[in-house]
Amino acid sequence: ETGVTQTPRHLVMGMTNKKSLKCEQHLGHNAMYWYKQSAKKPLELMFVYSLEERVENNSVPSRFSPECPNSSHLFLHLHTLQPEDSALYLCASSQDTTSAFNEQFFGPGTRLTVL
Amino acid sequence: QKEVEQNSGPLSVPEGAIASLNCTYSDRGSQSFFWYRQYSGKSPELIMFIYSNGDKEDGRFTAQLNKASQYVSLLIRDSQPSDSATYLCAVNEVTTDSWGKLQFGAGTQVVVTP
Repeated sequence: ETGVTQTPRHLVMGMTNKKSLKCEQHLGHNAMYWYKQSAKKPLELMFVYSLEERVENNSVPSRFSPECPNSSHLFLHLHTLQPEDSALYLCASSQDTTSAFNEQFFGPGTRLTVL
Repeated sequence: QKEVEQNSGPLSVPEGAIASLNCTYSDRGSQSFFWYRQYSGKSPELIMFIYSNGDKEDGRFTAQLNKASQYVSLLIRDSQPSDSATYLCAVNEVTTDSWGKLQFGAGTQVVVTP
């Protein structure tokens, strides 16, 4: 595996379900990110982790819960979601979060549908 | 609210012509600027970045940065049907704790017609 991988690629869940999204980066980076992409809207940054420590939480509802057990893995735990949470969820990684020259590399995304 | 603005398009470009995409940003302190390409149903992929005023060329792509006017543009020369995609402009947002956060525009859809 190379780059940034995400599983599952597609997920359909009911509003009462609990599910998790997984991201893994094989680039030796120290920072990982969760983004939400809805149709015709800019990418919305949800969470940022640097060396397994959360450094940013952009007022995301508590029904989204991130977990970063190490610098290569990032999870997004989902529970009691709403239909408006249906979107493409993208994971990204970068070398660090301290540099202004911060190239981020994206995974393929998880297409989430909440019924 | 710091913003990154792009025309949503679609920008229709004949094959072989030059596609010109523009992006304006509100944060004067921004230091780095990125262009991502996103095919329908796929994730964004980085195609160019620029840090200094002026032009930067990479193959058929040229990024242009004018910090005084707060805009960055992307030119695609000899456009090919495979260039049909949405192009996202991303701007580094400078914060008090010096952490580099990327602010994305909504993207410009480019359609290259044979």
